[in-house]
Amino acid sequence: DVKVTQSSRYLVKRTGEKVFLECVQDMDHENMFWYRQDPGLGLRLIYFSYDVKMKEKGDIPEGYSVSREKKERFSLILESASTNQTSMYLCASSLSQGGEKLFFGSGTQLSVL
Amino acid sequence: EDKVVQSPLSLVVHEGDTVTLNCSYEVTNFRSLLWYKQEKKAPTFLFMLTSSGIEKKSGRLSSILDKKELFSILNITATQTGDSAVYLCAVDSNYQLIWGAGTKLIIKP
Repeated sequence: DVKVTQSSRYLVKRTGEKVFLECVQDMDHENMFWYRQDPGLGLRLIYFSYDVKMKEKGDIPEGYSVSREKKERFSLILESASTNQTSMYLCASSLSQGGEKLFFGSGTQLSVL
Repeated sequence: EDKVVQSPLSLVVHEGDTVTLNCSYEVTNFRSLLWYKQEKKAPTFLFMLTSSGIEKKSGRLSSILDKKELFSILNITATQTGDSAVYLCAVDSNYQLIWGAGTKLIIKP
């Protein structure tokens, strides 16, 4: 079974801090995604990557950046955390582009105070 | 603008009941519709539907797609407390997933 591991389940940060959320998958998937999930809004795509060193903006990239130096690792960076970035962050990977079956990590609940 | 709407937003039933969850969509270039179950944190894949009228089934769960009326339903029969979760619907439009807000299902013993 594919395993997608997110480094932290819960994280509390202060406004203005730089925050790194790490995600590692172990099935050699080309495609990796970062979503945030807020009550009543569903999953919203922040960034995605179809290859190493490649990144594409999703629907809500403002305030975020990403890094994909190795195929198995996709990092989400909050350059200067703000309270409106308090959310559940979900990483996912897939074999093929688009709507094929996604494998999700367990999520990181980030609180920015 | 592409959108996916799930209903109801939440549902409370008793163990043994049958439930039907709805997902309607308006998208520019439909490729597939997917259902996921989210317990605690990580959503897990349930079904992918691409053709109208063909039911997908897995145990007590089943789903069907109507591409003419632009909706899908997810049925769960003989519900158990372990079915309590948020059920997410997503539509692949132009290789991008559009997600609904989810239906929170609570099964009371």
